[in-house]
Amino acid sequence: KNEVEQSPQNLTAQEGEFITINCSYSVGISALHWLQQHPGGGIVSLFMLSSGKKKHGRLIATINIQEKHSSLHITASHPRDSAVYICAVSTLSNTGNQFYFGTGTSLTVIP
Amino acid sequence: DSGVTQTPKHLITATGQRVTLRCSPRSGDLSVYWYQQSLDQGLQFLIHYYNGEERAKGNILERFSAQQFPDLHSELNLSSLELGDSALYFCASSVDGPPTGEQYFGPGTRLTVT
Repeated sequence: KNEVEQSPQNLTAQEGEFITINCSYSVGISALHWLQQHPGGGIVSLFMLSSGKKKHGRLIATINIQEKHSSLHITASHPRDSAVYICAVSTLSNTGNQFYFGTGTSLTVIP
Repeated sequence: DSGVTQTPKHLITATGQRVTLRCSPRSGDLSVYWYQQSLDQGLQFLIHYYNGEERAKGNILERFSAQQFPDLHSELNLSSLELGDSALYFCASSVDGPPTGEQYFGPGTRLTVT
């Protein structure tokens, strides 16, 4: 069973396009994370949110707790946005805070 | 640069062997998390330490163990290695524990078991 589902798995966009990546989860969460992983392998945390909406530059993340759904939007996409975007949730269990990851969305932005 | 360091960057070893991966968190961060990323399983949470104490265990095998030392660096020990243990191992650190601690990831250690 997958606690976190992402869609789409792969996404190709033209430079300048508006991009949306979706994440649905099935567990009660304490926080949701959006991560970016570049081809070299390094992981960067983009957002951590538990409600509402956050914005950093051209990136926007939203979460709807009732619907157990989050979206990551990229406005005016650029080739340097090409990466794998991973949704993760942290949830409190009887063995402490657990983290579950989606399988990632591979984004390619074409100039 | 996240400020989190991991050594070694690459490690090639044989089945049955034991290895130690090291992680130094960002200055001031008390939490260290370990993750495994393999091609077939994706990212998986292994274990979380906060200020020297184990706080949560995820999908960590019994052959694996970890600890966080008084200077807050952490080590992940992998023993009786199997081919399936080949993966990228990341550590991350945060100022405090979840859910409030935003995590900063190290560059990872790529382990290849032959």
